[in-house]
Amino acid sequence: ETGVTQSPTHLIKTRGQQVTLRCSSQSGHNTVSWYQQALGQGPQFIFQYYREEENGRGNFPPRFSGLQFPNYSSELNVNALELDDSALYLCASSLAVNREAFFGQGTRLTVV
Amino acid sequence: GQQVMQIPQYQHVQEGEDFTTYCNSSTTLSNIQWYKQRPGGHPVFLIQLVKSGEVKKQKRLTFQFGEAKKNSSLHITATQTTDVGTYFCAVQGSNYKLTFGKGTLLTVNP
Repeated sequence: ETGVTQSPTHLIKTRGQQVTLRCSSQSGHNTVSWYQQALGQGPQFIFQYYREEENGRGNFPPRFSGLQFPNYSSELNVNALELDDSALYLCASSLAVNREAFFGQGTRLTVV
Repeated sequence: GQQVMQIPQYQHVQEGEDFTTYCNSSTTLSNIQWYKQRPGGHPVFLIQLVKSGEVKKQKRLTFQFGEAKKNSSLHITATQTTDVGTYFCAVQGSNYKLTFGKGTLLTVNP
């Protein structure tokens, strides 16, 4: 079991609302990445944070934003939720930007 | 962006049979990672391959990286019901983006 924890585990939101998901990285890991995983698909890279700076971004619109804090924990914010945002959101931490990723258990977001 | 094709999409085997999943890229890869995701779970890192022609073993699992570093495979010998899950390959691009294949869902009939 990894030391990456995410909260909440499940969440239901209404279309148009905003949501904040949280992630605590494994001890000693300074890099955090966020992924969106739709049912039956592989995880899709949203962005990565390294030492509080966004370090890379996938093909997601600006309404997906994030933060990394000095203790390397992280938040994913999604504004103006759409039905297609319903997915499992995974946080992964790693020792460095090019090292293996250790995933949290994910937050299951449902947008209705 | 970097893409990887993973085949097959699904594989159903009888317990004790072997299983292989393949990952292919049109471009040369710097490295490749493999993950396993149990049903309802999260991806768990299995291994990273870096060198051309590299072969690594973990008990019944054998991982290979092609000589041209454009393909990789994961082979499981004598599958067990505990092997059930989706196996993903993942490659890292220049912007640190980790791109996952679509995965191979393995089911095992006891």
